[in-house]
Amino acid sequence: DIQMTQSPSSLSASVGDRVTITCRASQSISSYLNWYQQKPGEAPKLLIYGASSLQSGVPSRFSGSGSGTEFTLTISSLQPEDFATYYCQQSYNTPRTFGQGTKVEIK
Amino acid sequence: EVQLVASGGGLVKPGGSLRLSCAASGFTFNYAWMSWVRQAPGKGLEWVGRIKSKASGGAIDYAGAVKGRFTISRDDSENTLYLQMDSLKTEDTAMYFCTWVERRNALVQPASDHDYYYYMDVWGKGTTVTVSS
Repeated sequence: DIQMTQSPSSLSASVGDRVTITCRASQSISSYLNWYQQKPGEAPKLLIYGASSLQSGVPSRFSGSGSGTEFTLTISSLQPEDFATYYCQQSYNTPRTFGQGTKVEIK
Repeated sequence: EVQLVASGGGLVKPGGSLRLSCAASGFTFNYAWMSWVRQAPGKGLEWVGRIKSKASGGAIDYAGAVKGRFTISRDDSENTLYLQMDSLKTEDTAMYFCTWVERRNALVQPASDHDYYYYMDVWGKGTTVTVSS
């Protein structure tokens, strides 16, 4: 199985900050990488697919980059509604695997 | 409106069985690939398995932790996805989400299923399964 490792596991940031989350795959997954946002008590929401394609309706302050084994999710200017947990997920092969999550908290 | 409504969760003893259902509406279910994802209390997301559409061959894949104990199936006439869970363990305690797996071209001219980006854009609210004696 492909292991997905996110860093950091949590971070504290202020509104307006630029935030970067890293996701590493245990083997090359080309650009088959998705990012999800989850708020407490809610189902996850798709943000990015194909490593860098912004899903329709997602604010442009979110962006994704990377290929192969290293990927990043960037929030250019953190907004109050962005405090949540973020997960990467590979869609290169099955079983699909998720990273352990990165919790973004208010500083 | 596209909607997924999961049901069937509850309290079950270790070794017991439970069947979850997921009613789909608002999209062409028989052509849809569907997945189950679970989340243990306070933990991260875990992919459980996926079933392809019959038009794509109907193949089913499972996570290692549930293979041989869980069975994913679908009734296209009822627009419903199922998850039969047998030999349940305490570590199966989780919220179970059903999802619609969508795809976009990863290549200009896809030649196989591998030439697409797959992602889960539509999620049900989830149903809770508790395995405890």
